[in-house]
Amino acid sequence: GAVVSQHPSWVICKSGTSVKIECRSLDFQATTMFWYRQFPKQSLMLMATSNEGSKATYEQGVEKDKFLINHASLTLSTLTVTSAHPEDSSFYICSATTIGLAAYSYEQYFGPGTRLTVT
Amino acid sequence: GQQLNQSPQSMFIQEGEDVSMNCTSSSIFNTWLWYKQEPGEGPVLLIALYKAGELTSNGRLTAQFGITRKDSFLNISASIPSDVGIYFCAGSYTGTASKLTFGTGTRLQVTL
Repeated sequence: GAVVSQHPSWVICKSGTSVKIECRSLDFQATTMFWYRQFPKQSLMLMATSNEGSKATYEQGVEKDKFLINHASLTLSTLTVTSAHPEDSSFYICSATTIGLAAYSYEQYFGPGTRLTVT
Repeated sequence: GQQLNQSPQSMFIQEGEDVSMNCTSSSIFNTWLWYKQEPGEGPVLLIALYKAGELTSNGRLTAQFGITRKDSFLNISASIPSDVGIYFCAGSYTGTASKLTFGTGTRLQVTL
């Protein structure tokens, strides 16, 4: 149980174009999803928190107009990187959680990640 | 953003040896989680800790929630080659479905 998938697993795009990454909870309904970014040999940095049916909450320093997050259903959240530039190249990972999934809902379950390369 | 300090940063050990790593914070957390990440994949939850002083095991893994609520350690006994990976601690303090603050990671490599 508690499986989270991401699509695509990797993507290469040209500078200036937009890329959409999907995050799905496969066997549970995720009331909250999180988006992280991880640069090579670094830790995960939280970008935004997304609750189903409401606007995402972005961390300080993360441009909400550049990283568009939509959490339209309890099993799907999308991250769109708009007007991507080479410095946006990174490993993007989502996680999902919900009340009742485990003994406590602090436990986040992560997707396999999406590697974005902007040329 | 804030990160938790993990040590050691990396370690090479021989198969069969025990491993110990820790995580410290300047802030109090009410939940500590330990994750393992392998190359090109997302983190996988290993152990979750919810009470100060709590000691929890998962197979060869044992983790403890520090009494001060500002630290946690993870031990791996009798390491095997598949233990290779990056281990991250993560803390949470704002309640249900709350944000996680991740540690800097400990890279573990096992030699035969």
